[in-house]
Amino acid sequence: EVQLVESGGGLVKPGGSLRLSCAVSGFTFSNAWMSWVRQAPGKGLEWVGRIKSNTDGGTIDDAASVRGRFTISRDDSKNTLYLQMSSLKTEDTAMYYCTTRTTSWRHFDYWGQGTLVTVSS
Amino acid sequence: DIQMTQSPSSLSASVGDRVTITCRASQNISRYLNWYQQKAGKAPKVLIYATSILQSGVPSRFSGSGSGTDFTLTISSLQPEDFGYYHCQQSYTTPRTFGPGTKVDIK
Repeated sequence: EVQLVESGGGLVKPGGSLRLSCAVSGFTFSNAWMSWVRQAPGKGLEWVGRIKSNTDGGTIDDAASVRGRFTISRDDSKNTLYLQMSSLKTEDTAMYYCTTRTTSWRHFDYWGQGTLVTVSS
Repeated sequence: DIQMTQSPSSLSASVGDRVTITCRASQNISRYLNWYQQKAGKAPKVLIYATSILQSGVPSRFSGSGSGTDFTLTISSLQPEDFGYYHCQQSYTTPRTFGPGTKVDIK
């Protein structure tokens, strides 16, 4: 069974930092392209960024709204995806989901349950 | 970036109704268009990918069509469990962008 389990969310002050984790099981993580998607309260979905598998170069692409502040990484030995967030702003308050595609098609077919990040003073 | 729009932003329909949601891309995305359903407090779930391919386990009352910039999600006979939000997403290029969502209520 495929499982993605996010953790690390919480309350942080503006300007602060937080690291989210996504532990994966049920598929070969090292071959997977992994993404983060967020959803602000009452708003739509926003793609945060993606990291390709290391065999595909490990390239990272991210949204302009987080570029230079957020860093996506992966540890294939731990089957874990990370999102390091710094210089957090109130507008980064959202549920953060990790997601992946397990086929060659470009849709996200598995999602975690999400972890809530609240940026507030 | 490719901008995605959806219409309507919300709708209310009766059980058994045919429901259509439209998604438009700001530029040609070929058939790289996916649809997700999201219930309150839950993660999204893919319904249709590559415009018209039904995800395994999704009821056949859901269908998708379109190409280029204009796409449609159709629910042929709305069921009570179909309430929720529907999001389109382009997977033609990065950044992957989503539409603003359509809220579907059951009358």
